[in-house]
Amino acid sequence: SQQGEEDPQALSIQEGENATMNCSYKTSINNLQWYRQNSGRGLVHLILIRSNEREKHSGRLRVTLDTSKKSSSLLITASRAADTASYFCAPEIQGAQKLVFGQGTRLTINP
Amino acid sequence: GAVVSQHPSWVICKSGTSVKIECRSLDFQATTMFWYRQFPKQSLMLMATSNEGSKATYEQGVEKDKFLINHASLTLSTLTVTSAHPEDSSFYICSAPRGTVRNSPLHFGNGTRLTVT
Repeated sequence: SQQGEEDPQALSIQEGENATMNCSYKTSINNLQWYRQNSGRGLVHLILIRSNEREKHSGRLRVTLDTSKKSSSLLITASRAADTASYFCAPEIQGAQKLVFGQGTRLTINP
Repeated sequence: GAVVSQHPSWVICKSGTSVKIECRSLDFQATTMFWYRQFPKQSLMLMATSNEGSKATYEQGVEKDKFLINHASLTLSTLTVTSAHPEDSSFYICSAPRGTVRNSPLHFGNGTRLTVT
């Protein structure tokens, strides 16, 4: 499968804790992107990390990429109730002009 | 604000009728747009890639005659679900990259909830 596979499928933590989600893929990529989806809405782009990058930060988000292991992780620090959503990784496969999404991680932040 | 607008946000139709969904890029030109389908608590399934001025590229297993895609301008792509049946009920989402497809994040519409009765 070309799509990213997220782990865990569901994650429930207390507000203020950190949330870590992982993504694995199988082929060579141009970049890997993370998206967030609130229930019944479209996806919102969070961060794009290129294949030659190892780590990227955006506010409370930290993304790592290990191309040798074909894996990525998304860390949300100091979680808030508003972070409750589904998070998807989407590897941009080399040679494929499209993104395919995995099953996502459903994150619940308990107040 | 939203850079991709999708309309309608929800629609209920009777079995056998056709439904058109519009996807507009508001402040940029989109040579390429993507159409996805999503079932409850599942991933997005890429249905087709819409290309301005040419035929859409459909993913394997997606019926071209069932899901008609037209991308007549650089800011508008439409998806028409023809002769809709209850199994077509789903959440349909469009997206477009601002710029080239490669190495560009996608901007998504807010989706269309289709219910076929």
